[in-house]
Amino acid sequence: DAGITQSPRHKVTETGTPVTLRCHQTENHRYMYWYRQDPGHGLRLIHYSYGVKDTDKGEVSDGYSVSRSKTEDFLLTLESATSSQTSVYFCAISERGGSQETQYFGPGTRLLVL
Amino acid sequence: QKEVEQNSGPLSVPEGAIASLNCTYSDRGSQSFFWYRQYSGKSPELIMSIYSNGDKEDGRFTAQLNKASQYVSLLIRDSQPSDSATYLCAVNKAGGSYIPTFGRGTSLIVHP
Repeated sequence: DAGITQSPRHKVTETGTPVTLRCHQTENHRYMYWYRQDPGHGLRLIHYSYGVKDTDKGEVSDGYSVSRSKTEDFLLTLESATSSQTSVYFCAISERGGSQETQYFGPGTRLLVL
Repeated sequence: QKEVEQNSGPLSVPEGAIASLNCTYSDRGSQSFFWYRQYSGKSPELIMSIYSNGDKEDGRFTAQLNKASQYVSLLIRDSQPSDSATYLCAVNKAGGSYIPTFGRGTSLIVHP
């Protein structure tokens, strides 16, 4: 258990409303990630962070923004939710063991945009 | 062409058999390789990592890496119904940021 929690775990919202998902870690890892997972597409990286206030885009970043004001929290915001953003969202951290990094995932957030 | 390719399956094997899951990747600069297991409705769980050519064994699981042929495989011996899940292959390049690329996963069904 890498000490990752996500909130909320389930959310239903309407098209056009803003949504913020929170990822919280307890072990001071430098790297944090947001992925979405959809049938037929697998895990796709939305944004990642390599430190406080240091973030970068992944392959499917359009329509999403992130913020990391504290090491332990990484927020994902959908500024104006669309039905295409209905998905399961996973937060992850990477942990360095020796010279190698390994990624661990949070429990996920199921988002339904109506 | 996706950078990391997996057969989506489902791969169906009888209980007690060896399940063989394969993954190919396109970037020759890839240096670290991972297998995750994901049960339906759950998050991916790391089960194996491998960094050098050859085999790496952990209990009933064996990861095999062949960098020259750009493939990595996962063997599950004595398959159990509890092994039924989707298996994700992830590949990472050397140096810089740790940003692994995931395959779409292979669904494994182990039937009694």
